[in-house]
Amino acid sequence: QSALTQPRSVSGSPGQSVAISCTGTSSDVGAYNYVSWYQQHPGKAPEVMIYDVSKRPSGVPDRFSGSKSGNTASLTISGLQAEDEADYYCCSYAGTHLVFGGGTKLTVL
Amino acid sequence: EVHLVESGGGSVQPGGSLRLSCAASGFSFNNYRMHWVRQAPGKGLVWVSLINSDGSITNYADSVKGRFTISRDNANNRLFLQMNSLRAEDTAVYYCARDQDGLGYWGQGTLVTVSS
Repeated sequence: QSALTQPRSVSGSPGQSVAISCTGTSSDVGAYNYVSWYQQHPGKAPEVMIYDVSKRPSGVPDRFSGSKSGNTASLTISGLQAEDEADYYCCSYAGTHLVFGGGTKLTVL
Repeated sequence: EVHLVESGGGSVQPGGSLRLSCAASGFSFNNYRMHWVRQAPGKGLVWVSLINSDGSITNYADSVKGRFTISRDNANNRLFLQMNSLRAEDTAVYYCARDQDGLGYWGQGTLVTVSS
């Protein structure tokens, strides 16, 4: 049950695009199309931004997109806005359990 | 509207026990798999446990296996986490979350502090 690997931090200017990677193994990310991404602002509960690799819940802007290749999933945020500054976590189904990434702090410059 | 409200957190000494509760409303609770996820102060999210819709299947993170027990009361729309033999490293905010479209709904969390 090892955590998925995410970069500790990423940054971008308003209007730019950023991508956050999430690397797992052939037992989690590579095995299932059940990768989800969560946004968490300080002091708040997480909110799902992407589920099943690339699906967006209603209400989530289409600036958020997800993809997967092999054992690595990615979250891309285009047209960065100030309110996107938050922590982002990936999560994968792994057969009998879930596993989260360590989290990535997104700074909007 | 879906609501998940955790309760039962607090301060406890190492080796002690706590029972967390998650009250669900606004949806058919007995149709959904549920999870507990925790977050230590200043740290990331960590999955703790899951239970299927009828309570017949449960799974646990290795770090809590044998100490924590997840259960549910579908008649009263409640999810529970019985935590025994608590350790300092169990200190965290504990969230319950509904499993559909990822973890689509989360509660606000309840803080558990294990300290002597």
